[in-house]
Amino acid sequence: SQQGEEDPQALSIQEGENATMNCSYKTSINNLQWYRQNSGRGLVHLILIRSNEREKHSGRLRVTLDTSKKSSSLLITASRAADTASYFCATRGGTGANNLFFGTGTRLTVIP
Amino acid sequence: DAGVIQSPRHEVTEMGQEVTLRCKPISGHDYLFWYRQTMMRGLELLIYFNNNVPIDDSGMPEDRFSAKMPNASFSTLKIQPSEPRDSAVYFCASTLSSTGELFFGEGSRLTVL
Repeated sequence: SQQGEEDPQALSIQEGENATMNCSYKTSINNLQWYRQNSGRGLVHLILIRSNEREKHSGRLRVTLDTSKKSSSLLITASRAADTASYFCATRGGTGANNLFFGTGTRLTVIP
Repeated sequence: DAGVIQSPRHEVTEMGQEVTLRCKPISGHDYLFWYRQTMMRGLELLIYFNNNVPIDDSGMPEDRFSAKMPNASFSTLKIQPSEPRDSAVYFCASTLSSTGELFFGEGSRLTVL
């Protein structure tokens, strides 16, 4: 299966701290994306990193990608209570593959 | 744009009944995906369409599941007959390009008693 796995499964931090979530995947990819899901809602796209990129920033988000280790990390700096959600990585395969496979998710709780 | 619209948001039915979930993608998007989310299995890709044509339905669990996209602005996912193990949240998502971000609907929560 191409499905990725996030680590940790759950993370609880204090407001203002940084949160780091990791994602590992199994096959070669075209790009890797991170999504956020608030309880009872749909997924929302956060950031996309291509296979030839190593790092990308968007606001308080920083994503890294290591294709040799088939892993990615998502860093949320200066966390806020509103960041409480589940975070998923999703991988899109190589040439010709349009399927997007999601990992198991990390449940982040930010305590005010 | 209103985003991806799914209906119904909640459906409770009895085993053996037919269930039809509906999706209206974002106007202009040429890819449409159906996912299923459960605690046990996470997010599973069921089927996706490109320009209204089913491209990959390998994720459809059984013949009881079928999906159609009669036009660019409407898709259905049908389960007939439904079973308790079909209980899940079903998401529809659309995208403009084959490599870009997916835009998800709010999901349809199905409970089969």
